[in-house]
Amino acid sequence: AQSVAQPEDQVKVAEGNPLTVKCTYSVSGNPYLFWYVQYPNRGLQFLLKYITGDNLVKGSYGFEAEFNKSQTSFHLKKPSALVSDSALYFCAVRGYNTDKLIFGTGTRLQVFP
Amino acid sequence: DTAVSQTPKYLVTQMGNDKSIKCEQNLGHDTMYWYKQDSKKFLKIMFSYNNKELIINETVPNRFSPKSPDKAHLNLHINSLELGDSAVYFCASSPASGTLTDTQYFGPGTRLTVL
Repeated sequence: AQSVAQPEDQVKVAEGNPLTVKCTYSVSGNPYLFWYVQYPNRGLQFLLKYITGDNLVKGSYGFEAEFNKSQTSFHLKKPSALVSDSALYFCAVRGYNTDKLIFGTGTRLQVFP
Repeated sequence: DTAVSQTPKYLVTQMGNDKSIKCEQNLGHDTMYWYKQDSKKFLKIMFSYNNKELIINETVPNRFSPKSPDKAHLNLHINSLELGDSAVYFCASSPASGTLTDTQYFGPGTRLTVL
């Protein structure tokens, strides 16, 4: 069965420092992986996705994610964090042969000045 | 020019009542979804529709009934509301059903509180 795990409930980084939000996955078939961000009292906004090809995927707001097949990971990264990046981040995987997205439990990112 | 919109944004009601949440997308997508986010922020799919046809129904109590009058709208009707139905409900859409690489675009959510 498809699943993703986000091992950290919370990540704290200083503004200007690089950030990483971790995600590991377990799939049958090809992994179609997604990152979404949820700002307070807002909907989910799509950041990026991995379908195939280059293992480094670039997305919105300067975020990127690295797909690592051997480690079954899809970590979200940004070279220099902003206070405005503070939000809840969700990793998701497409269900096996279905449209549904299966979400991780979310990681709260806090960027402090 | 909101892509996926939901109404209302907030809904407070008493146990036992019946309520509806509406969703509309202007992206021209064929597929629409309802997800539920509980108090611990856990997100789980409830339903998906493709061009007005039910595709996914995830072990949701039959008090929940989605209705899709056309492919741009997917409404969620909930009968006999219970305390445990309190959550944020998100509508989403994607271009086509069965295209596993498509991105799903989410609405702003409806926060339902059952008293």
